[in-house]
Amino acid sequence: KNEVEQSPQNLTAQEGEFITINCSYSVGISALHWLQQHPGGGIVSLFMLSSGKKKHGRLIATINIQEKHSSLHITASHPRDSAVYICAVSPPSNTGNQFYFGTGTSLTVIP
Amino acid sequence: DSGVTQTPKHLITATGQRVTLRCSPRSGDLSVYWYQQSLDQGLQFLIQYYNGEERAKGNILERFSAQQFPDLHSELNLSSLELGDSALYFCASSAFGELFFGEGSRLTVL
Repeated sequence: KNEVEQSPQNLTAQEGEFITINCSYSVGISALHWLQQHPGGGIVSLFMLSSGKKKHGRLIATINIQEKHSSLHITASHPRDSAVYICAVSPPSNTGNQFYFGTGTSLTVIP
Repeated sequence: DSGVTQTPKHLITATGQRVTLRCSPRSGDLSVYWYQQSLDQGLQFLIQYYNGEERAKGNILERFSAQQFPDLHSELNLSSLELGDSALYFCASSAFGELFFGEGSRLTVL
């Protein structure tokens, strides 16, 4: 069983739709990360959060520590949001420095 | 621009050959991670270095090795290459728990 599970695996949306990607994890964490990988490969860090909610433009990330669950929301989706979104967690620092990654959610936004 | 530099960006080689991938972390970052991403697969952790010392090891094959030099740049050596080694190889550096990825090195083994 993977330490980090994401759903859905694939998602197709019409431009303008509200999108939610979910992430569940099974280990203790110090922080959760949302990453974006565009076709062509580069990976960009979108959010790092350990509690509550963060917002950046049309992107919102929330985390519920008790339920070990996080969501990434995209409001007013646009074709340029098409990418793979990866959830990752970093365990508490006293347990090692390895990050655990979900397998990613491939999002396609159709004009 | 994450500040993490990887070279080369693309590499095509033949089975049985040996290649070296290079990574320069962000200025001041002591941790370097190497990941492998095969086609349609998630990021697989290979190895982590911290200030020149190996800190953690993942699913790294014996044919692969890495090191981090005093100037903190790191190299990943892949030898006796097989077709299945074709993948994107990412380097990342970390500071205060945040990860910064390089653009990746795309290796194609023919």
